[in-house]
Amino acid sequence: EAGVAQSPRYKIIEKRQSVAFWCNPISGHATLYWYQQILGQGPKLLIQFQNNGVVDDSQLPKDRFSAERLKGVDSTLKIQPAKLEDSAVYLCASSLDLSAGELFFGEGSRLTVL
Amino acid sequence: KQEVTQIPAALSVPEGENLVLNCSFTDSAIYNLQWFRQDPGKGLTSLLLIQSSQREQTSGRLNASLDKSSGRSTLYIAASQPGDSATYLCAVWDTGGFKTIFGAGTRLFVKA
Repeated sequence: EAGVAQSPRYKIIEKRQSVAFWCNPISGHATLYWYQQILGQGPKLLIQFQNNGVVDDSQLPKDRFSAERLKGVDSTLKIQPAKLEDSAVYLCASSLDLSAGELFFGEGSRLTVL
Repeated sequence: KQEVTQIPAALSVPEGENLVLNCSFTDSAIYNLQWFRQDPGKGLTSLLLIQSSQREQTSGRLNASLDKSSGRSTLYIAASQPGDSATYLCAVWDTGGFKTIFGAGTRLFVKA
């Protein structure tokens, strides 16, 4: 069974530029999550989708971050314009559904903002 | 508001030692608790998932326990090996916010 796929693995940009990350969850998983992990900290939930609907985006900085999961499968997280403090690893995870199932993570996308 | 704390933040042990990692959470209203391993520059690998109705789960040399009433979980690693060196994170599925809250992790180093 294929795991959660993410790309790109690494990205370096200047502040005020834009960047997009892509995630393809495990086949059949209805729930998809984007987390931000700053060095030395645990992951922080940015947004949670159930199929193509948003369940929770309370911690997503909506002035600069956006995410979509249009067909209820893969998802894109965008940052525009990026700030220095956005330097982090962006982790995508999926679970079978919302009923508190096991989370499976991708390898993450490491963003450096200069 | 649910908070998850992991102590110690870092731990160094000699190979072969049995060790315990601790995780505490402030609100006992959880659906489950999951332990993960994270290697440097990598994503999170699920180790054990304990449902709120369960007391413990075992996988190989790993045993995780859950005491919901006291807001605690422990991850026991038997006969540690250098390959166990990684950061271990616990996460609770919080019924209040209906989302998973992570601790900051314990960085483990097993010396050969």
